[in-house]
Amino acid sequence: QLQLQESGPGLVKPSETLSLICTVSGGSLGFHYWAWIRQTPGRGMEWIGHIDHIGDAYYNPSLKSRVTISVDTSKNQFSLKLSSVTAADTAVYYCARDPGDFWSGYSFWYFDLWGRGTLVTVSS
Amino acid sequence: EIVLTQSPGTLSLSPGERATLSCRASQSVSKSYLAWYQQKPGQAPRLLIYDASSRATGIPDRFSGSGSGTDFTLTISRLEPEDLAVYYCQQYGDSPLTFGGGTKVEIK
Repeated sequence: QLQLQESGPGLVKPSETLSLICTVSGGSLGFHYWAWIRQTPGRGMEWIGHIDHIGDAYYNPSLKSRVTISVDTSKNQFSLKLSSVTAADTAVYYCARDPGDFWSGYSFWYFDLWGRGTLVTVSS
Repeated sequence: EIVLTQSPGTLSLSPGERATLSCRASQSVSKSYLAWYQQKPGQAPRLLIYDASSRATGIPDRFSGSGSGTDFTLTISRLEPEDLAVYYCQQYGDSPLTFGGGTKVEIK
C-alpha cells in the first residue's frame, strides 16, 4: 500500500530556506503526479505546487518566486524548498499524490493520498 | 484566482440526520472540477468526492456530491458519529488550485 511521509526540520529561522522531503513507499513515483500543500489556521489550505517524475513542476503564482520542487527517482522522493521564509510560512506541510496518469499525459489536480503532515515553525 | 466560500461555518446535528454543506465559487468552476475532503482531528485530509459528484474509492455511499457552475453541495445522508470532521472543497478547474475555508460538522 502506497504511503507518503514528510521529513525535515520543524524549526526554521526567518529569511532562511525551508527544506522538506517526501518519501514515497510501497510504490513508484513514476506513474502519477505529486504535490505539496500547506495548512494554517489563518489562511486555510494552500496549494504550493506539483511535480511529475521527470521533474516538470508547476507552482502557485503567489509562491513561485520562492519555491522549488524537485524529484529524486533513485530514492523515490520529492522535495520542497521555500526560500526567504517569514512567520507567515509557519504551517503544517503535506505532501500528496495526484492520481493522474503520467503515461497518459495528464494530471487530475486533486489529491487522493496524503502524508501525515509536518509542522514547520518559522521563528528566531 | 477562484475563491471558494463554504457555509455554514459549523453544522451541529444528531446521528442519523442529513447534513448539507455548501461550497460557492467566485466564478464558474470549469467542467465541475471540484473535490471534497474530510479532515478528522489530527489527521490529514481524505478525498471523498471528485469531479463534483464521483465518490472516491472506499467512500461510503452516504456521502454524495452535486452541483455545477458556482454552486456545489456535499450531502451526508445519515450522519454517523465518525463523521465528526472539517470538510473542505477544492477547485481544480483553474490555476491556482484553491480550497474553501471548511465546514466543521459536530455531532450532538
